[in-house]
Amino acid sequence: DAMVIQNPRYQVTQFGKPVTLSCSQTLNHNVMYWYQQKSSQAPKLLFHYYDKDFNNEADTPDNFQSRRPNTSFCFLDIRSPGLGDAAMYLCATSGQGEETQYFGPGTRLLVL
Amino acid sequence: GDSVTQMEGPVTLSEEAFLTINCTYTATGYPSLFWYVQYPGEGLQLLLKATKADDKGSNKGFEATYRKETTSFHLEKGSVQVSDSAVYFCALIVSGGSYIPTFGRGTSLIVHP
Repeated sequence: DAMVIQNPRYQVTQFGKPVTLSCSQTLNHNVMYWYQQKSSQAPKLLFHYYDKDFNNEADTPDNFQSRRPNTSFCFLDIRSPGLGDAAMYLCATSGQGEETQYFGPGTRLLVL
Repeated sequence: GDSVTQMEGPVTLSEEAFLTINCTYTATGYPSLFWYVQYPGEGLQLLLKATKADDKGSNKGFEATYRKETTSFHLEKGSVQVSDSAVYFCALIVSGGSYIPTFGRGTSLIVHP
């Protein structure tokens, strides 16, 4: 089945220690998104790619970076995680001009 | 700007009860409207959508009708099951824009046996 895969599902890191979350997709979609979701809140868009064209939301902290080496993979790098960065991180994809987004299962990040 | 307002949760129901989750929106253009569902520990998945006024989206016994006159897209189900326990997000995308959805805050549904 075509899908969006996120690894790991759970990630524990220490305060200030860089961490990378990964996302892969078999849908061959050209648009990929990273969202941050905190408890009982809507997902908050961090950035998205149209192919390799990177789009950063204005209020995304500089501490968050992203890489998309090819169509299938996208990475979220948190350079110096703080306690406030503990959240669920969701990756999503969509096809060109399509409105429906397809979400991965998420990575839950815990910062100690 | 565009916004989506959902009723506060949690909504707690007994199995086989009737469900309504209210959603209203404000949009500068002509939006498409969506309901996404998030089961515990999982990502969001599309439940249903409607792209123009008076359209009815339906899936898995859930329905929602795009009401332009009341700017609403309320989610309904005639008989809920324990397995419907999840968080439900209403969302919109304005046509001709960036295809980035505006989500509501989500409404938690808890169904008891």
